[in-house]
Amino acid sequence: DTEVTQTPKHLVMGMTNKKSLKCEQHMGHRAMYWYKQKAKKPPELMFVYSYEKLSINESVPSRFSPECPNSSLLNLHLHALQPEDSALYLCASSPTSTTNEKLFFGSGTQLSVL
Amino acid sequence: AQKITQTQPGMFVQEKEAVTLDCTYDTSDQSYGLFWYKQPSSGEMIFLIYQGSYDEQNATEGRYSLNFQKARKSANLVISASQLGDSAMYFCAMREGIRDDKIIFGKGTRLHILP
Repeated sequence: DTEVTQTPKHLVMGMTNKKSLKCEQHMGHRAMYWYKQKAKKPPELMFVYSYEKLSINESVPSRFSPECPNSSLLNLHLHALQPEDSALYLCASSPTSTTNEKLFFGSGTQLSVL
Repeated sequence: AQKITQTQPGMFVQEKEAVTLDCTYDTSDQSYGLFWYKQPSSGEMIFLIYQGSYDEQNATEGRYSLNFQKARKSANLVISASQLGDSAMYFCAMREGIRDDKIIFGKGTRLHILP
């Protein structure tokens, strides 16, 4: 299994809603990432978990809350989002964080905040 | 300052021609890795090729090759014999240091292959 699976593929939510994005991999990777991508822009790093510990938070607003319950699973909890948070949210993983290790990406969750 | 610079926002290339996508980078680390990803309109990020800073030879993967010029800090992607399916966004990315949790991306180049 060489896949990173993200659910849901699409999500529409209101500004008062609470929702979660889910990411799963069964490749034994110990580093997992959340990226945010606006249309026609590059992916922007949000969070990195390394060995289930949060190693990087790129000054992301607290309305985004990551969680890594185990080495295979990564969640992104969303609460009180703003319309400008509408974007493609990409999850990725890599075996560890050494220089030569590429990212394996999921197909993303397209989020719309109304 | 940008760490990864892709100066070509968009390119139009005739099918079957070779195309070079430019990428320059900025780092003070001796150990780093350079990656190219392709993102079609469907949105998934597809890994194409990797070049390590200590690799003496340019990386190649099928129709993709990386023209690595370390002194100039450039890592250009060359696609030979372009195909219609190569139309996509292409991102250059870098991971710095021996062990770094962060991979950062350039702004990308939109490639259009013309029939």
